[in-house]
Amino acid sequence: QQQVKQSPQSLIVQKGGISIINCAYENTAFDYFPWYQQFPGKGPALLIAIRPDVSEKKEGRFTISFNKSAKQFSLHIMDSQPGDSATYFCAASARPGGGADGLTFGKGTHLIIQP
Amino acid sequence: DSGVTQTPKHLITATGQRVTLRCSPRSGDLSVYWYQQSLDQGLQFLIQYYNGEERAKGNILERFSAQQFPDLHSELNLSSLELGDSALYFCASSEQTGTRGLLSPLHFGNGTRLTVT
Repeated sequence: QQQVKQSPQSLIVQKGGISIINCAYENTAFDYFPWYQQFPGKGPALLIAIRPDVSEKKEGRFTISFNKSAKQFSLHIMDSQPGDSATYFCAASARPGGGADGLTFGKGTHLIIQP
Repeated sequence: DSGVTQTPKHLITATGQRVTLRCSPRSGDLSVYWYQQSLDQGLQFLIQYYNGEERAKGNILERFSAQQFPDLHSELNLSSLELGDSALYFCASSEQTGTRGLLSPLHFGNGTRLTVT
């Protein structure tokens, strides 16, 4: 049973456009929702994270929108650049400490930004 | 650079064999996590150790085992290897304070690519 569903599997966006990746979860005990970015040959790296007590978090061109009632959250990349081309993973954690123990990852979105 | 070191980078072995993957966490990080990444399953959490003790278990097969040593490095042992075990194996570390409200981001190494032939 996949606990975090991510879509789309792949996404092509023109340079300067907005990239949107969506995730949905089932476990209402999840209380920590990070996004990771992975370049080829590298491990995933934390991009941005949100707790369910806020509906939006913005860091530079990256924004997480969170809808607790719908159990959905999404990543928006504004003014997308070719350097943003990577695989993006959403994740969720239900550990009591709100930390990163046993993160459950989505299956990833392969994002390509065309120049 | 995440500060997490994984060796070897690549490993090719035959079915039925046993291999050991090694991970050195970031300086100061007490928690080590192992993940398996395959094309169809994505990133699957295998196991977590905190300061030498097993803390959480995920989808880890009985043929797989891990341990964390006093110097905090960790090893993942994979035995009776099957073709389906071919994947990228990632180690990650975190501070893991365990205090509610504090977030401990995972810092991933660059992985070990295992190919079972």
